[in-house]
Amino acid sequence: DAKTTQPPSMDCAEGRAANLPCNHSTISGNEYVYWYRQIHSQGPQYIIHGLKNNETNEMASLIITEDRKSSTLILPHATLRDTAVYYCIVRGISGSGNTGKLIFGQGTTLQVKP
Amino acid sequence: GAVVSQHPSRVICKSGTSVKIECRSLDFQATTMFWYRQFPKQSLMLMATSNEGSKATYEQGVEKDKFLINHASLTLSTLTVTSAHPEDSSFYICSARDQWVNPGNTIYFGEGSWLTVV
Repeated sequence: DAKTTQPPSMDCAEGRAANLPCNHSTISGNEYVYWYRQIHSQGPQYIIHGLKNNETNEMASLIITEDRKSSTLILPHATLRDTAVYYCIVRGISGSGNTGKLIFGQGTTLQVKP
Repeated sequence: GAVVSQHPSRVICKSGTSVKIECRSLDFQATTMFWYRQFPKQSLMLMATSNEGSKATYEQGVEKDKFLINHASLTLSTLTVTSAHPEDSSFYICSARDQWVNPGNTIYFGEGSWLTVV
């Protein structure tokens, strides 16, 4: 699976948009970009994933560049409860000998401040 | 989203004893489950991939005889830490893949289990 690079930490003001970048320059054509977050002492929570098109759900938006070498997770109106470690993970499609396991990097610690 | 449950959420055991942690997929079938370990202020480290009806696949450096994994049904995988030592104290997290959801077979995580070995 391709490696990802994220800034170690970011701050965001409450109510503002939080934009979390991720570089995955070695991503291959059948690999998805997944975002999870982990609030202290809890299991990771799925946020969103995408292949090449931008995606949006009730939690966030995912913007993937046209060359797929980087992406940005957008939390449109950050709240204090969004303070967490955010992980960007590139993962192949399961099947075809691929278990589809998730390998975590160090992630970005997002601190939402009042 | 799909729900994955772990039990117990916290356990304290004596050094030298064994402790079992359960991981259940509550509303979907999971042919594949994953076990992670996380030390304080560190990221999650994948320990093994648990496959229903077959042997688990362990990551390099993980002792298969110490961390026994059983995946006897499509909704249950267990991790047994045998002959536990204080250095095994950690946050253990499982995840499960919903095999019927496509694309990408989204993976969902349990709440985690805190193990303290005294």
